[in-house]
Amino acid sequence: DVKVTQSSRYLVKRTGEKVFLECVQDMDHENMFWYRQDPGLGLRLIYFSYDVKMKEKGDIPEGYSVSREKKERFSLILESASTNQTSMYLCASSFRRGTSNTEAFFGQGTRLTVV
Amino acid sequence: AQKVTQAQTEISVVEKEDVTLDCVYETRDTTYYLFWYKQPPSGELVFLIRRNSFDEQNEISGRYSWNFQKSTSSFNFTITASQVVDSAVYFCALSEPNRDDKIIFGKGTRLHILP
Repeated sequence: DVKVTQSSRYLVKRTGEKVFLECVQDMDHENMFWYRQDPGLGLRLIYFSYDVKMKEKGDIPEGYSVSREKKERFSLILESASTNQTSMYLCASSFRRGTSNTEAFFGQGTRLTVV
Repeated sequence: AQKVTQAQTEISVVEKEDVTLDCVYETRDTTYYLFWYKQPPSGELVFLIRRNSFDEQNEISGRYSWNFQKSTSSFNFTITASQVVDSAVYFCALSEPNRDDKIIFGKGTRLHILP
């Protein structure tokens, strides 16, 4: 079974802190994604990566950066956390296009509260 | 631009009733994938089905069935004889593999199955 693991289930941080959300997948997927989920807004794509050291902005990248130094690991970084970044963060991974199995598999989510 | 619309924000039905969740999509590509995911109260998104744009055959899996109609750009999901365990948020999603590997989600439909 595909396993996508996020380092924390719940996180509370202070405004202005630098926050790292870590995600690891064990299926050798090329693609990895970070989404945030807010009530009434569904899942919105923050960043995705299709290879090591490669990244592309999603729909809401402002205030975030990412790092992918190894294929299995994709980190989301909040350089200076703000209260409007309080949300549920979901990591996902998938095979690259060109394969028939393009669905994404998700981690359990990290509920981040910025106070 | 790609877009997924789930017009039903919230639905409540009594157990054993049938229920259909609507999904309408927009894309300019002839090659695309559609997905449905389930998010139970635990929070982790669970992949349910993938359908590619060249396969309009409807699919049935137990009490779940999916109706894909390119003529109306819809990919609707029906649960037959609903059960309390079906209570969850359901997301429809779209990807365009000739463009990139992004997966764009609708805002979700929260389904309540009442005992």
